[in-house]
Amino acid sequence: GENVEQHPSTLSVQEGDSAVIKCTYSDSASNYFPWYKQELGKRPQLIIDIRSNVGEKKDQRIAVTLNKTAKHFSLHITETQPEDSAVYFCAASPGGSEKLVFGKGTKLTVNP
Amino acid sequence: DVKVTQSSRYLVKRTGEKVFLECVQDMDHENMFWYRQDPGLGLRLIYFSYDVKMKEKGDIPEGYSVSREKKERFSLILESASTNQTSMYLCAIRRTSGEQYFGPGTRLTVT
Repeated sequence: GENVEQHPSTLSVQEGDSAVIKCTYSDSASNYFPWYKQELGKRPQLIIDIRSNVGEKKDQRIAVTLNKTAKHFSLHITETQPEDSAVYFCAASPGGSEKLVFGKGTKLTVNP
Repeated sequence: DVKVTQSSRYLVKRTGEKVFLECVQDMDHENMFWYRQDPGLGLRLIYFSYDVKMKEKGDIPEGYSVSREKKERFSLILESASTNQTSMYLCAIRRTSGEQYFGPGTRLTVT
C-alpha cells in the first residue's frame, strides 16, 4: 500500500524567512496530494492541493510542487508570519481510492 | 458550507467500557472516515464507509468497529476500551474534489 514520508518533523524559522516541507510517496498511481494545516486544538484544514497532471500550484504565499518521476512533493511558504505556526500534514491519495494516506506531520514554529 | 459534528469534544471512560463516538454530516456525502491522531504518528485511518451499511478496514482497525445505518451518521465503537486507545479521534467526509473535511475531534481518555 501507499506510504508517505514527511520531513522534517520540526522546523523553526524567523519571521519573513521561507519554509519548505518535503514529502515522498511510494505508490506511482497516487494522483491527489493535499496539504493540511492544524493549529493547536483545532481540526486539520486544507490549505492547498495538487493533482498528478500539474507540476506546481500557488496561492498567495504558499505553493506546492510535485515531481512525479521522483515521487515527491513539497510545500513552500514564503514571507512566513507567526500565524503560520502550526502542524502541517501532507497526504497522498492512491490511484482510484477515496482514501488519503498522511505523513506524520511537521511542526512549524515562526519566531517573531 | 458542509458541517461535520462529533458527539463530544472530551470523553473520559474506564477500561473495559463500551464506547460510542458519533459523527454527523449534513451534506449527503457518501464517504466518511474515522482517524486517530497521536503525537508523532500523524493521522491513521481506522475505518471508512463508502455508503450506508458499507465499510472497509483502514490501517489500524483492531479493537474498533463501526456502524453506518443512515447516510449522515457514522459511529465508531470501542468494544472494550483500553488505555492504549487514549487518543484524539477525528471524523472526516470526502468532498467530490477529493478533499477530506474534518470534524472538530473527540479527545478520549481511558483510565
